[in-house]
Amino acid sequence: GAVVSQHPSWVICKSGTSVKIECRSLDFQATTMFWYRQFPKQSLMLMATSNEGSKATYEQGVEKDKFLINHASLTLSTLTVTSAHPEDSSFYICSARAGTGWTEAFFGQGTRLTVV
Amino acid sequence: AQSVAQPEDQVNVAEGNPLTVKCTYSVSGNPYLFWYVQYPNRGLQFLLKYITGDNLVKGSYGFEAEFNKSQTSFHLKKPSALVSDSALYFCAVRDGYGNNRLAFGKGNQVVVIP
Repeated sequence: GAVVSQHPSWVICKSGTSVKIECRSLDFQATTMFWYRQFPKQSLMLMATSNEGSKATYEQGVEKDKFLINHASLTLSTLTVTSAHPEDSSFYICSARAGTGWTEAFFGQGTRLTVV
Repeated sequence: AQSVAQPEDQVNVAEGNPLTVKCTYSVSGNPYLFWYVQYPNRGLQFLLKYITGDNLVKGSYGFEAEFNKSQTSFHLKKPSALVSDSALYFCAVRDGYGNNRLAFGKGNQVVVIP
């Protein structure tokens, strides 16, 4: 299957700082990328959907000014958690898909964010 | 809006026994159904999908799933479970109207007992 690489795998940051997470599709062009947040032993919560070259579409209740998403190219999307707080600590996962049809989405390995 | 139900929190099975993880769905139109597996602190790995065609779908690592339209179900099965199959399993669905969004179930923790 297609490979999606997410970096870093884990990060610890201080409250008030910003953290950037990268999501790259290594062997295909990702027209759409998705960012999820997952709490322990829970399902994935979709945060936003981004299409290359356009603004991300955020789900209801997700602060777009806090979770900045940039999908600047067909192989890279970034999620920046701005002014992080301990409650932002979570597991963040990206996924990417190549087309708008029925193709399955491929997932990155996730990023464990801990805000202290 | 599409939705998925995975009724059980945890599935315990002895190694070598058949494994079944249940999933029912709700969509408008034709469903596109997926199963993913997640190991601790990792992303999701694609197992299999149903789009159209044969109701029995075979996927990775010996897993298969059966699409049942009348029961709106897509249960995941494996004839003989391995200890290494212990993980979190997610069922997901999207509708066929070009909606990009996947709806995930809450996940099922599978524990295979040696």
